[in-house]
Amino acid sequence: EDQVTQSPEALRLQEGESSSLNCSYTVSGLRGLFWYRQDPGKGPEFLFTLYSAGEEKEKERLKATLTKKESFLHITAPKPEDSATYLCAVPIYNQGGKLIFGQGTELSVKP
Amino acid sequence: DTGVSQDPRHKITKRGQNVTFRCDPISEHNRLYWYRQTLGQGPEFLTYFQNEAQLEKSRLLSDRFSAERPKGSFSTLEIQRTEQGDSAMYLCASSLEGSRQPQHFGDGTRLSIL
Repeated sequence: EDQVTQSPEALRLQEGESSSLNCSYTVSGLRGLFWYRQDPGKGPEFLFTLYSAGEEKEKERLKATLTKKESFLHITAPKPEDSATYLCAVPIYNQGGKLIFGQGTELSVKP
Repeated sequence: DTGVSQDPRHKITKRGQNVTFRCDPISEHNRLYWYRQTLGQGPEFLTYFQNEAQLEKSRLLSDRFSAERPKGSFSTLEIQRTEQGDSAMYLCASSLEGSRQPQHFGDGTRLSIL
């Protein structure tokens, strides 16, 4: 069964304390992996698409990487404004772009 | 780029009433998706359209749920005879065709059933 699991469920960091979020997946025929950021009361905001194992994408303090079984979102020297829930999702093969999401990691960065 | 727009942002209704939500996608996107999200969980797929055709429906979408996308533009999601378990955030997303195209989400409609 296609599945996406994120860990940890919640992460509390001090400002400047770097860390990583994990997204592991089991799907048949990976067609890419998406990372989103979601603020309370808002819809998910698209961050990155990773297409194949070994690929990396960067945006400000965030860097996403992909292997054949999992993806990491590395956060370098985070700031309080990075506090949000981070979601990863994969499209299901041959189902028109339908996404399966993980449950998310709630990140809190304290000053 | 005006983004994906959803209306209303919040809806409070009594159990048993019907509700309808609207989604206006990004204008050049031919795919439109509906998801449902409950507290502490990721969004769950409900259904999607390519242009005006509804191509897939999740088992989560009971007979009380119906979605339309007339003329391949905006979409509506209707829930008939609402139940307590329907309380959730209903999210709409749109994308260009292709499973590798990122989906762009609206800010959702928060439904509360009294």
